[in-house]
Amino acid sequence: DVKVTQSSRYLVKRTGEKVFLECVQDMDHENMFWYRQDPGLGLRLIYFSYDVKMKEKGDIPEGYSVSREKKERFSLILESASTNQTSMYLCASTDRGAGQPQHFGDGTRLSIL
Amino acid sequence: ILNVEQSPQSLHVQEGDSTNFTCSFPSSNFYALHWYRWETAKSPEALFVMTLNGDEKKKGRISATLNTKEGYSYLYIKGSQPEDSATYLCAPRSNTDKLIFGTGTRLQVFP
Repeated sequence: DVKVTQSSRYLVKRTGEKVFLECVQDMDHENMFWYRQDPGLGLRLIYFSYDVKMKEKGDIPEGYSVSREKKERFSLILESASTNQTSMYLCASTDRGAGQPQHFGDGTRLSIL
Repeated sequence: ILNVEQSPQSLHVQEGDSTNFTCSFPSSNFYALHWYRWETAKSPEALFVMTLNGDEKKKGRISATLNTKEGYSYLYIKGSQPEDSATYLCAPRSNTDKLIFGTGTRLQVFP
């Protein structure tokens, strides 16, 4: 079974802090994604990566950056956390190809005070 | 693909009832359609990935159909059980690897 592991289930940080959310997958998938989930909105894509050191902006990249130094690890960085970044963050990975589903981690519920 | 609509937003049914939900999406630039089930406190789980017009897929009591020409997919649950309670998400994919998620249909099945 594919395992996508996010480093924290719950995280509380303060405004202005630099925050790192880590995601590791164990299936050698090329593609990795970061989403956020807010009430009344669908999962929204923040950033994704097709390969090591590759990154592409998603639909809502403002205030975020990412790092993919190794194939199995994709990190989401909040450069200077703000209260409007309080949300549920989900990481996913997938093999390339139209028929491949995304495999999700359990999510990190991040609160910015 | 910009606009994905799922209906209804929420649904309450009795155990044993059959139910269905709709996912509507723009039919241009279609590549695949994903369905996921998201139970509370768990991660979203892939149910189906469909790519061809007229595709029908089945997994136990759950099945899905796809019409790419008119831009919709139906998800059916036969004989709903309390463990089917979850949010069901659909997400079409264009020729990139990006998915565009709908807001989901929240199903609650009462014993």
